[in-house]
Amino acid sequence: DTQMTQSPSSVSASVGERVTITCRASEDINGWLAWYQQRPGKAPQLLIYGGSTLQSGVPARFSGSESGTEFTLTISSLQAEDCATYYCQQTDKLPPTFGQGTKVDIK
Amino acid sequence: QVQLQESGPGLVKPSETLSLTCTVSGGSISSYYWTWIRQSPAKGLEWIGNIFYSGTTDYNPSLQSRVSISLDMPKIQFSLRLTSVSAADTAVYYCARGLNSDPYGMDVWGQGTTVIVSS
Repeated sequence: DTQMTQSPSSVSASVGERVTITCRASEDINGWLAWYQQRPGKAPQLLIYGGSTLQSGVPARFSGSESGTEFTLTISSLQAEDCATYYCQQTDKLPPTFGQGTKVDIK
Repeated sequence: QVQLQESGPGLVKPSETLSLTCTVSGGSISSYYWTWIRQSPAKGLEWIGNIFYSGTTDYNPSLQSRVSISLDMPKIQFSLRLTSVSAADTAVYYCARGLNSDPYGMDVWGQGTTVIVSS
């Protein structure tokens, strides 16, 4: 299976601060990466697919980028409602696999 | 607005079969992939498998010998069966819809249902 490694495992930042989460794939996934946000007790919600395409309805402060097998989710200006755990998922190879998650909270 | 709702027993005995159903409302089953995922503290998020509206399925190789996903078009439902369960199958189970442009990406999720495997 393709291993997805996220870092950091947790991050604490102030409102308005820029937050960056990284996801590294164990092999080439041809840009097929999705990002999800999961609030406590809720199902994951799709933020970004195809590495950088913003899902409809998702605020523009979220963005995704790619460099080889390394992918980045950026929250340009952290808001209180962004407190959640974020997961990456590779969608190139069967079975699709997820990272272990990055918990974001407010400092 | 498409919505998904999982239903089924919350408690299953070891060695028995776990059966869950996902009801789709507000939209059609046609032209989409329909997926089951589970989440546990031990394994995190785990993709179980999906079914295309035509009936074609893909399964996680780690579960392939025990899992089946089926579709009921008239009822606008799809179902998961997982046989010979053990405590390792205890998890929150989600159903979800695959993206048109990326079947393994999921844009609509159910709220999830907790399944505990215990005698």
